[in-house]
Amino acid sequence: KQEVTQIPAALSVPEGENLVLNCSFTDSAIYNLQWFRQDPGKGLTSLLLIQSSQREQTSGRLNASLDKSSGRSTLYIAASQPGDSATYLCAVRRGVKAAGNKLTFGGGTRVLVKP
Amino acid sequence: DTGVSQNPRHKITKRGQNVTFRCDPISEHNRLYWYRQTLGQGPEFLTYFQNEAQLEKSRLLSDRFSAERPKGSFSTLEIQRTEQGDSAMYLCASSPDVTDNYGYTFGSGTRLTVV
Repeated sequence: KQEVTQIPAALSVPEGENLVLNCSFTDSAIYNLQWFRQDPGKGLTSLLLIQSSQREQTSGRLNASLDKSSGRSTLYIAASQPGDSATYLCAVRRGVKAAGNKLTFGGGTRVLVKP
Repeated sequence: DTGVSQNPRHKITKRGQNVTFRCDPISEHNRLYWYRQTLGQGPEFLTYFQNEAQLEKSRLLSDRFSAERPKGSFSTLEIQRTEQGDSAMYLCASSPDVTDNYGYTFGSGTRLTVV
């Protein structure tokens, strides 16, 4: 059974500092990994999608890396801003040969960027 | 079509009542998913449709829960005889079918409070 863990559960940094969010998963037979942002009481907004054959993806100040063999992904947010305050969730999708297409989520990292 | 739409946004109901939520996916997406998220946790998979066929159901989906996707368009999730433990955010997501190179797009969710 796939288990996804995100450490730390919460993180507080001053504005301008770089953020490093970690995600680990127990079963390396994944199809892809997706990072989401969730504001309080809201739905999920997709940030980055990394296919299992890729090592990283970048979008603006965001960079996500994937090391499938060690079961790890890291989301880097450069030069953090107060507007980056949110909960960040990672989710892995099972390998395509497996039946079904569900995502397994980590518990999230709650980020606070202080002005 | 700007995204996945969920209605209602909030629902407060008395214990024992039935509730129904609706999800309208992105029109060209064949796959539709329901997830449940309790406070401070990551979303958990409930069920998955490919077009009108319900292909996978989680053990979390008790007999009181039923989901449908008639004609492969919108979907409804009904909870009968609600219990306080059903209080959660119910999230719907959709994804394309063809290449599997796309991630999921989530709606804003329906927050259910059972009193």
